Amino acid sequence: GDSVTQMEGPVTLSEEAFLTINCTYTATGYPSLFWYVQYPGEGLQLLLKATKADDKGSNKGFEATYRKETTSFHLEKGSVQVSDSAVYFCALLNAGNMLTFGGGTRLMVKP
Amino acid sequence: GAGVSQSPSNKVTEKGKDVELRCDPISGHTALYWYRQSLGQGLEFLIYFQGNSAPDKSGLPSDRFSAERTGGSVSTLTIQRTQQEDSAVYLCASSSSGKPSTDTQYFGPGTRLTVL
Repeated sequence: GDSVTQMEGPVTLSEEAFLTINCTYTATGYPSLFWYVQYPGEGLQLLLKATKADDKGSNKGFEATYRKETTSFHLEKGSVQVSDSAVYFCALLNAGNMLTFGGGTRLMVKP
Repeated sequence: GAGVSQSPSNKVTEKGKDVELRCDPISGHTALYWYRQSLGQGLEFLIYFQGNSAPDKSGLPSDRFSAERTGGSVSTLTIQRTQQEDSAVYLCASSSSGKPSTDTQYFGPGTRLTVL
């Protein structure tokens, strides 16, 4: 079945550092890929998405490119802020309509 | 506009009791989903509704779990004879379902269930 693997956290960075959170997937067909973010005490929010190979999703300075050849969708941001501290979830959506999530990566940004 | 809403936000119950969790999707969204977020299992899919029918119930962990949706809108997830392992945050999401394999699912704030 489909699966998503993302790097385990916590990831601790200083403010203005470069961020990469790795995500790889296994799926049949051509899934859509998503990054969701969960801020402390809040629900899941869509951060960005890509629906086909080579698409780049971007939002709030975050970017991720759908790489079919490496089955990856790594999340990047050039300069993180304290307010980016949250748990980030990579997910895929296939023909079955259900999202398959990775285990989540906690990001902690220190001033 | 209004997002997905869920009630109650927190529920504490005793083992063996039944609980009902409610989800109100975004207006006009035909698809509705229930997920569970727990420490040991991460985020797991439970059930999917298209309109009032549930073509995919594959994620329901046992026959103690059931869900219904009426009027193509509000959904209720019922857990009978709750067990301590049912303790989790139950998340509801909805999508417009124009294209199922690309649709974005929008999540509610969740209901935190604690079974004592």
